[in-house]
Amino acid sequence: DTGVSQDPRHKITKRGQNVTFRCDPISEHNRLYWYRQTLGQGPEFLTYFQNEAQLEKSRLLSDRFSAERPKGSFSTLEIQRTEQGDSAMYLCASSLTGYVTEAFFGQGTRLTVV
Amino acid sequence: GEDVEQSLFLSVREGDSSVINCTYTDSSSTYLYWYKQEPGAGLQLLTYIFSNMDMKQDQRLTVLLNKKDKHLSLRIADTQTGDSAIYFCAVGAFTGGGNKLTFGTGTQLKVEL
Repeated sequence: DTGVSQDPRHKITKRGQNVTFRCDPISEHNRLYWYRQTLGQGPEFLTYFQNEAQLEKSRLLSDRFSAERPKGSFSTLEIQRTEQGDSAMYLCASSLTGYVTEAFFGQGTRLTVV
Repeated sequence: GEDVEQSLFLSVREGDSSVINCTYTDSSSTYLYWYKQEPGAGLQLLTYIFSNMDMKQDQRLTVLLNKKDKHLSLRIADTQTGDSAIYFCAVGAFTGGGNKLTFGTGTQLKVEL
């Protein structure tokens, strides 16, 4: 297994368009997390899944954002009607279940809304 | 909510020790992490410490935790040019079955020859 992979690595979109990102976690990991990182800031938690169940969502995740993990494997993050403020790096991480487990991060998808 | 603060920049000479500091606000944080981020790469976990520990050493890395002052530090001994990166402090609590992390703003470490 090569780790957490995210696709695409870069996405440029016009304001108002919808975009979808994909994350493939490490195969045996049943937890999957989405974070957003803006320039000069640390990552901010958006949401996480335990298998296919979305167990927590941050208030940062507005109604325009939706995340799914239909079969408990890969996950998608969709942003509808993108705004310039959505420009950021979107990071996915996965981990095993456990009290303290290492979360492995992907390289991220950099979104630029023009 | 949780607030995690770090200084933005640190510059050291190769071979010296680096000390990166972090303060947090939530006393219920149960574990604290240090991540490294290099340009174009994802976040790499360096080490973590439980809130009931004062110190953890892992090769060149030493983590010190002052729970009373809510202060965490990462010391890198014999700093090398390959250590140049952004270092993030992250704190978390085990809630609802997940390990949600709150990250600091990151400290950019520059190692000069």
